[in-house]
Amino acid sequence: EVQLAESGGGLVQPGGSLRLSCAPSGFTFSSYWMSWVRQAPGKGLEWVANTKPDGSQKYYVDSVKGRFTISKDNAKISLSLQMNSLRADDTAVYYCARIAFYGDSWSFDLWGRGTLVTVSS
Amino acid sequence: DIQMTQSPSSLSASVGDRVTITCRASQSISSYLNWYQQKPGKAPKVIIYGTSRLHGGVPSRFSGSGSGTDFTLTISSLQPEDIATYYCQESSSYPITFGQGTRLEIK
Repeated sequence: EVQLAESGGGLVQPGGSLRLSCAPSGFTFSSYWMSWVRQAPGKGLEWVANTKPDGSQKYYVDSVKGRFTISKDNAKISLSLQMNSLRADDTAVYYCARIAFYGDSWSFDLWGRGTLVTVSS
Repeated sequence: DIQMTQSPSSLSASVGDRVTITCRASQSISSYLNWYQQKPGKAPKVIIYGTSRLHGGVPSRFSGSGSGTDFTLTISSLQPEDIATYYCQESSSYPITFGQGTRLEIK
């Protein structure tokens, strides 16, 4: 079955760190761009980070630059998001998402169930 | 950054109604516009990509149109299972941005 499964969420104090993982299955992980998208409680969707299929290029929303690092390991078939210097406004469900290309267009075509990160003292 | 603005923020309609949600970009994004459906407690699902192309398995009552800065998502005959929040998302440049969402309810 084609799916993504996130793990690693939990409660962390402000200023702390957390590492999220995403385990893909059912597709050729090494061929795809991958992303993290988050959703604060009761709020809308916010793109966090993207990485190219080989993990060589990474893109981030400004609010997490310098604090979060997306990593893609095609040998271990895993995606991660290292989150440092966490703030209360980082509290959200974090989704792992796959990007599918259709010519020059693309979308997030596969999503995991998400993992909740709560930043609170 | 490109700002995506959806209207309305919430919508109540009856089963069988034709429903239209609009999405406006703060600058031209050509046809690089996707729509997602998110049901309560679930992850989003793509329903339309590239403005008007239906993702696999999505019912044909869903359609999308537009170009440049103005886009619409239409449900031709609302069904109970369409109750969800709908988000537009531009795929033209970084940072990738979503609209704020439109919550669709049954009247």
